Amino acid sequence: GAVVSQHPSRVICKSGTSVKIECRSLDFQATTMFWYRQFPKKSLMLMATSNEGSKATYEQGVEKDKFLINHASLTLSTLTVTSAHPEDSSFYICSARTSGDVDTQYFGPGTRLTVL
Amino acid sequence: GQNIDQPTEMTATEGAIVQINCTYQTSGFNGLFWYQQHAGEAPTFLSYNVLDGLEEKGRFSSFLSRSKGYSYLLLKELQMKDSASYLCAVVDSNYQLIWGAGTKLIIKP
Repeated sequence: GAVVSQHPSRVICKSGTSVKIECRSLDFQATTMFWYRQFPKKSLMLMATSNEGSKATYEQGVEKDKFLINHASLTLSTLTVTSAHPEDSSFYICSARTSGDVDTQYFGPGTRLTVL
Repeated sequence: GQNIDQPTEMTATEGAIVQINCTYQTSGFNGLFWYQQHAGEAPTFLSYNVLDGLEEKGRFSSFLSRSKGYSYLLLKELQMKDSASYLCAVVDSNYQLIWGAGTKLIIKP
């Protein structure tokens, strides 16, 4: 089946630094990738949608200059949290889908970010 | 390897009850999530089980048996709006999410 990986699985950084999270589709071409943030009440908040080769579409309330998304290829999207602060500490999850099956998203295992 | 199994698709009738099963084989266990996802929307949280047993929340209930590596989501009094994909996800020993492929539930009048 379709596999989506994320790297790193967990990261701890100091306040003010930037952190890059990678999301890769291992055995399929992901025309669209989604980035979510999981909150303590277990809900997933969609942060942005990115299509390969174009700019990401951010959800209302998500700062695009703080959460930089790059979908440079059909198998890789990156989320960079710039000037991270403790309130950015969270579990970030990506998902991917192909153009041939827009109803199915394949989810990554998540990246736990802790900002000190 | 790690594996989550759930049926690909299920069909049920409005007003009826449906049970969606999820079996898992993972390296460790730190809880199991059920999410509902309508087409084109973000998944919404339904339940989180970490102890064995049944948890009821309105029309939805979730059951877990850690010894059997098994969970189910029970939906009662089905409504047309319950037509969606239902995702099972297990938190493994590294606190990573292992996702099932999702079960597409079709509700017929």
